[in-house]
Amino acid sequence: NAGVTQTPKFQVLKTGQSMTLQCAQDMNHNSMYWYRQDPGMGLRLIYYSASEGTTDKGEVPNGYNVSRLNKREFSLRLESAAPSQTSVYFCASRSIMTGNNQPQHFGDGTRLSIL
Amino acid sequence: AQKITQTQPGMFVQEKEAVTLDCTYDTSDPSYGLFWYKQPSSGEMIFLIYQGSYDQQNATEGRYSLNFQKARKSANLVISASQLGDSAMYFCAMREGGGGSYIPTFGRGTSLIVHP
Repeated sequence: NAGVTQTPKFQVLKTGQSMTLQCAQDMNHNSMYWYRQDPGMGLRLIYYSASEGTTDKGEVPNGYNVSRLNKREFSLRLESAAPSQTSVYFCASRSIMTGNNQPQHFGDGTRLSIL
Repeated sequence: AQKITQTQPGMFVQEKEAVTLDCTYDTSDPSYGLFWYKQPSSGEMIFLIYQGSYDQQNATEGRYSLNFQKARKSANLVISASQLGDSAMYFCAMREGGGGSYIPTFGRGTSLIVHP
C-alpha cells in the first residue's frame, strides 16, 4: 500500500548542478502535482499534470521542468540548481473519476538543499 | 489577492480543550470546496476533512468539524478535545469549479501547539 513514493528523501546539490526528483503513485490516479514548501509560504504549485500526456505550469514554474512519463510517474527536473530552490518538494496525486470531494494524496517530500 | 487566508501563524491550546483554526477564502465560482490538511513534524500531509459549497450541513470527521459560513466566506476547522498528537501545521486549501480536474490553492498554514 505505497500510495505516492518520492525519491530521494534528501539531497544536497551545488549551485549549477542538475537533478531529477522522482515521483510514482500506485493508485491509478489521473492528476499529479509538484509543490514546493517554504517556511511561512504554504504549498506553492510548480507544475501539474491533469492527465497522462499533459503538463501545465503552476504558480512558480521558473527553473523547473517536468515529465509525465506514464500514468504512474511524474518527475521534476532542476536543470541548473540555484540556492533559491532550496526547499521541501512534495508530489501529490488525485483521481478525477471519483468526485470533487476527493483530496490529494501526498508523498513524504524531498528535502533539497542547494549550496 | 490571496485566495486562501489563514490569519493565525501560531495557536496554542491546552490539552482536552477545543480550538478553532481560521480560514477565509475568496472566489466568485459558485462551485467550490474546502479541504483541511494536517502536517505533523514528520512532514507528511494528512487529509482531515472536506466541505463542498453546496453541502447543506457542516462537515464532521471524528474530533474534526468544519464551521462553514458561506456568506462570510469562512471555513474554520474546529478540533474538539485536543490531544498532544494534534500539535502540527494545519493547511486550508480550496478547489474551484466543477468537473473532475481542479488545481487547489493552499493557505500559508497555522502552527498548532497543544500543551499538556
